[in-house]
Formats: sequence, structure tokens, C-alpha cells
Amino acid sequence: EAGVAQSPRYKIIEKRQSVAFWCNPISGHATLYWYQQILGQGPKLLIQFQNNGVVDDSQLPKDRFSAERLKGVDSTLKIQPAKLEDSAVYLCASSLDSSANTEAFFGQGTRLTVV
Amino acid sequence: AQSVTQLGSHVSVSEGALVLLRCNYSSSVPPYLFWYVQYPNQGLQLLLKYTSAATLVKGINGFEAEFKKSETSFHLTKPSAHMSDAAEYFCAVTLYTGFQKLVFGTGTRLLVSP
Repeated sequence: EAGVAQSPRYKIIEKRQSVAFWCNPISGHATLYWYQQILGQGPKLLIQFQNNGVVDDSQLPKDRFSAERLKGVDSTLKIQPAKLEDSAVYLCASSLDSSANTEAFFGQGTRLTVV
Repeated sequence: AQSVTQLGSHVSVSEGALVLLRCNYSSSVPPYLFWYVQYPNQGLQLLLKYTSAATLVKGINGFEAEFKKSETSFHLTKPSAHMSDAAEYFCAVTLYTGFQKLVFGTGTRLLVSP
């Protein structure tokens, strides 16, 4: 079974530039998550989709971050404009559903460096 | 709000020694608890999860964890460390009801020496 695919693996941009990350979840998984993992910290949930609808984006900095999930499958996360503090690993995860005990499967992440 | 605290950002053990990684949770209702492992430049992989069926949970790679309500703890153990266990370990908590929202601890890096 193919896992969660993310691209690119690494990205370096200058502050105030824009960047986009792509995620392809495991086939059949209704729930998709984007996490931000800053060095030395645990992952923090940015946004959660159930099919193509947003169920939680309470920690997404909406003035600069946006995300969409096209047709309830692939998802993109965009940052515009980027700040130095956005340097982090962005992890995409998916699960069969949103029940509390469902295992989330994680991609390898995209490491973003803002200079 | 629910949260987890992982004591010790780094734990060092010798190969063959007992591994003990500590996690304490805070939740107003009985939680679901998870341990994830992250190898360098990899995503997170589920080691085990507690969902109230049994207090002692066995996971992959010989790891296990015991849910202790009286101590609000869910410590991760392995009887004998292997070099391949060197990684970062995250404890996470979520609630029974509503949508799953995993809240992660800050992680513990396990170092294994020969």
C-alpha cells in the first residue's frame, strides 16, 4: 500500500516570497491533516479536512497560510508571504476517518527554510 | 484542554539496557493516547495506542506502554534497547468525542550507545 506522498522534500525561499506544498494521501482516506513541526517541538495541527471540507483550522495563520483539498483527495498548503518563523517541517497525514482512535499515517514532510 | 508532557528532551541508554520514556497527560475526560516514532528525515510512525481496552498496550518493535490513570501517565518502555531504536519519540493525546485532534508532546530523542 502506497503511503502519504509529499513534495517537495526540501525548499529554501527568501522571506516575503510565496511557497506551496503538495500532499497525496493514502487512497480511500477521508481525513487529511497538515502539521507544522518547528525544530525541537512536537507537530502542531494547522488544518484538518474531512473529504473536501475543513473541520478544524483554528491554528492556521489565515493572514498568510491557505490550504485546499481538491475533490477530497490531494491537498496543497500555501504560505504567502513567508516569514522567518515559518521555517519548519510541514507534515501531511491522512486517516480513514476522523474518529478519535483512528491511526494517522504521516508523509515524510517538506522541510522549509526561510532566509 | 488536553495536553501531554514529555520529561527529558534526550535519553541515553546503552544497547541492551531498559528504555523508559516518560509521558504525562492532562485531560478533563478519559483520553486516547498514542506513541509515535520519528526516524531522521522521516515522517511519524505509530508505535502503539491506548483506547481503553487494556491498560497495558503492546506495540511494534518490542515497545509497550502502560496507562496509569492515578498517575496520569503513559510511559513507553522496552526491555532491551537496540541501536536501531535511536530516534525521536512523541507522545500524543486526543479526546473520545468529536473529530480527532492529536496534541503532541515536545518529543524525546533516544540515543543508544554500543
